Amino acid sequence: RKEVEQDPGPFNVPEGATVAFNCTYSNSASQSFFWYRQDCRKEPKLLMSVYSSGNEDGRFTAQLNRASQYISLLIRDSKLSDSATYLCVVTASWGKLQFGAGTQVVVTP
Amino acid sequence: GAVVSQHPSWVICKSGTSVKIECRSLDFQATTMFWYRQFPKQSLMLMATSNEGSKATYEQGVEKDKFLINHASLTLSTLTVTSAHPEDSSFYICSASPGQFNEKLFFGSGTQLSVL
Repeated sequence: RKEVEQDPGPFNVPEGATVAFNCTYSNSASQSFFWYRQDCRKEPKLLMSVYSSGNEDGRFTAQLNRASQYISLLIRDSKLSDSATYLCVVTASWGKLQFGAGTQVVVTP
Repeated sequence: GAVVSQHPSWVICKSGTSVKIECRSLDFQATTMFWYRQFPKQSLMLMATSNEGSKATYEQGVEKDKFLINHASLTLSTLTVTSAHPEDSSFYICSASPGQFNEKLFFGSGTQLSVL
């Protein structure tokens, strides 16, 4: 079993719609969680950290469920520019990062 | 925000040659940098942790004699792919963090290596 698992997608989303997807992690000792965005053949860029209480940044909402060991990302009012691969990143207690393979989102006009 | 510069962006080379990739932290000092490899539609795989002034720590399955890492200063780490072969073709990317822990990493722009 992979340490961090994501649905690869693609999630095809009409412009203006809402899309949500999860990421599961296997290490219960994981301390920190992040969502990164990666465009094709570009470097990942931090989208947002994920806090225990859940957090929102504009149209993006992240949630953490420690009991079920997953994090989620919700994108509201999708824009064409939101088309990308979203990487789930989890750190273990020793600080090592684990990357998911990414979820591809395609926003269509 | 913090900036990490990586070059070259693209390398095409013949089988058997060596390729050096540079990673620089432009506005912060990084005692630790990380090197990843990413194959198409796969996750970033950590290859090694580069430590300034000491030997790099390699992940299991990564040949240290194949992938030479030098971290001679607080702002520069280099990865040399020695005697590259077609199976080494991949997207190589470095990262560094200005913080004490390797959270909120800042990534270089990546290097696409194609070995013919």
